[in-house]
Amino acid sequence: ETGVTQSPTHLIKTRGQQVTLRCSSQSGHNTVSWYQQALGQGPQFIFQYYREEENGRGNFPPRFSGLQFPNYSSELNVNALELDDSALYLCASSLHKTSRDTQYFGPGTRLTVL
Amino acid sequence: KQEVTQIPAALSVPEGENLVLNCSFTDSAIYNLQWFRQDPGKGLTSLLLIQSSQREQTSGRLNASLDKSSGRSTLYIAASQPGDSATYLCAVNITGYSSASKIIFGSGTRLSIRP
Repeated sequence: ETGVTQSPTHLIKTRGQQVTLRCSSQSGHNTVSWYQQALGQGPQFIFQYYREEENGRGNFPPRFSGLQFPNYSSELNVNALELDDSALYLCASSLHKTSRDTQYFGPGTRLTVL
Repeated sequence: KQEVTQIPAALSVPEGENLVLNCSFTDSAIYNLQWFRQDPGKGLTSLLLIQSSQREQTSGRLNASLDKSSGRSTLYIAASQPGDSATYLCAVNITGYSSASKIIFGSGTRLSIRP
């Protein structure tokens, strides 16, 4: 059984650029959630995708968007990058969209915005 | 609005000591509570998950308790070792959020075990 994987491991962008982060969910999981973790803080919920549709969103602006593909892998896109977007971005997959299932986290992508 | 607080923010103890990390949450309508470990710059490792109907969970030297009515959880680490040094995050899984499973995290306790 393959765990949750994320790519790239880290990247550096400049203000105003756009970035795409990728997540492969654990085998058999149809739900992916994305979190942003600023330095010294706990992760903050961005949004969740279930069977290719957004299924819930946290307090993040529309320039944070996502996709889920038929194989349940997912992308997080951030447009018009700001300095405060620098963070560790974590994705988590679960068997179902509801709270009864544990979320399994990937290793994260470290984004630095200069 | 659910808020999760962890105290202390940082803790340094000598090797071999037993210690307790605290977590509190404002809304008792949780589905479960989970403790994670995070090493610097790394992702999250799940340590223990307590369902809302349970009172505690144990794994090796770790024991987590949950008192939903008072909004509190503790993580007890016995016979601490330098390898336990990490940030420990408490997180609650809440229901009723557009049917999505949403996890609310605390800011973590940064633990340092001195040899």
